[in-house]
Amino acid sequence: DTGVSQDPRHKITKRGQNVTFRCDPISEHNRLYWYRQTLGQGPEFLTYFQNEAQLEKSRLLSDRFSAERPKGSFSTLEIQRTEQGDSAMYLCASSLGDEKLFFGSGTQLSVL
Amino acid sequence: TQLLEQSPQFLSIQEGENLTVYCNSSSVFSSLQWYRQEPGEGPVLLVTVVTGGEVKKLKRLTFQFGDARKDSSLHITAAQPGDTGLYLCAGGGYKLSFGAGTTVTVRA
Repeated sequence: DTGVSQDPRHKITKRGQNVTFRCDPISEHNRLYWYRQTLGQGPEFLTYFQNEAQLEKSRLLSDRFSAERPKGSFSTLEIQRTEQGDSAMYLCASSLGDEKLFFGSGTQLSVL
Repeated sequence: TQLLEQSPQFLSIQEGENLTVYCNSSSVFSSLQWYRQEPGEGPVLLVTVVTGGEVKKLKRLTFQFGDARKDSSLHITAAQPGDTGLYLCAGGGYKLSFGAGTTVTVRA
């Protein structure tokens, strides 16, 4: 069973560094989502793609954040000039159209 | 943004006891979803409720959607240690809005 895969599982970086996360969705899923979850909170929507098109971005996604899904398959989320406030679990999910979302295990980012 | 409030924030019970967690909003939702999340993992969908007044059962878990589609509850009968986790409600279609969750701990 190949679910949503995220890499790396954990990332520790120093403030000011750039980081990139990867998400591999379930193969036949055309939609891909990024969420962020901080301790004691539920996930917050960041952005989503339908195939390769990025259709919506949350106001939470500052200019330092960029997401791509170049061929409508895997996606990357890059954070430039990381800040301590970026420390969170970054979750990727995928779906087939409006059907249910399947979440990956997330990438836990710690910015020192 | 449609806000979902969950209560209680934490719940610790003994194995075999029953528990109920609540999800409330001032907004009407076309549907609500319940997820369970274990530490270091992503949320896993348990159920989607769509119709006001709907009751769905998943083994020992009973989910209810309020008549006005503004609130929902999750009841667990005879809780087991394997039920331990963070229970999240969410609504809003593809752009899900999640509550902050209820952390449930079932002690053996």
